[in-house]
Amino acid sequence: DGGITQSPKYLFRKEGQNVTLSCEQNLNHDAMYWYRQDPGQGLRLIYYSQIVNDFQKGDIAEGYSVSREKKESFPLTVTSAQKNPTAFYLCASSTRQGANSNQPQHFGDGTRLSIL
Amino acid sequence: SQQGEEDPQALSIQEGENATMNCSYKTSINNLQWYRQNSGRGLVHLILIRSNEREKHSGRLRVTLDTSKKSSSLLITASRAADTASYFCATETSGSRLTFGEGTQLTVNP
Repeated sequence: DGGITQSPKYLFRKEGQNVTLSCEQNLNHDAMYWYRQDPGQGLRLIYYSQIVNDFQKGDIAEGYSVSREKKESFPLTVTSAQKNPTAFYLCASSTRQGANSNQPQHFGDGTRLSIL
Repeated sequence: SQQGEEDPQALSIQEGENATMNCSYKTSINNLQWYRQNSGRGLVHLILIRSNEREKHSGRLRVTLDTSKKSSSLLITASRAADTASYFCATETSGSRLTFGEGTQLTVNP
């Protein structure tokens, strides 16, 4: 079945450690997104990529990094510079986004990151 | 600040009743989308309404959009216990990014 796979489901980070969250999609979508969700709140955009080898910062990019070397994959690294990383991280994808694409986003089931 | 704001923050109803959630936003949009999130899961797309549309239906869902008031509503008719979830509105503006509201937590009691 086509979809988005996020791994791991749960992740623990030690102080000063970088951790990488995986996101893979087999929907043949060009655009991919990373969001952060804190308890009882909506989603905030971290980074997004509209095409391979290109990505843009979202609203809360500080302390995070991404790469987009393959169409199917958009890994997110939470660096030690992110001082409050505990959150639920969601990856999404959609067909190529233009100025008026009117396309929905498809989401993975998330990775819950906690600090040890 | 959030582009979309949902109202109410929480809603508790009995099975069979209708549930109405509202969303307000601040800037011009290309479209407005509603998503559902079950606890601990990802978001599922429910319905998309374009800026030139006023109403859209999908099964038991009815969405309205009033661009003059910068507001939208989601109506779930004949609710079921399985409808219990958080519901989010998201607006797409020029540049293709989605901005999400903080959601409405709907509880449908059997």
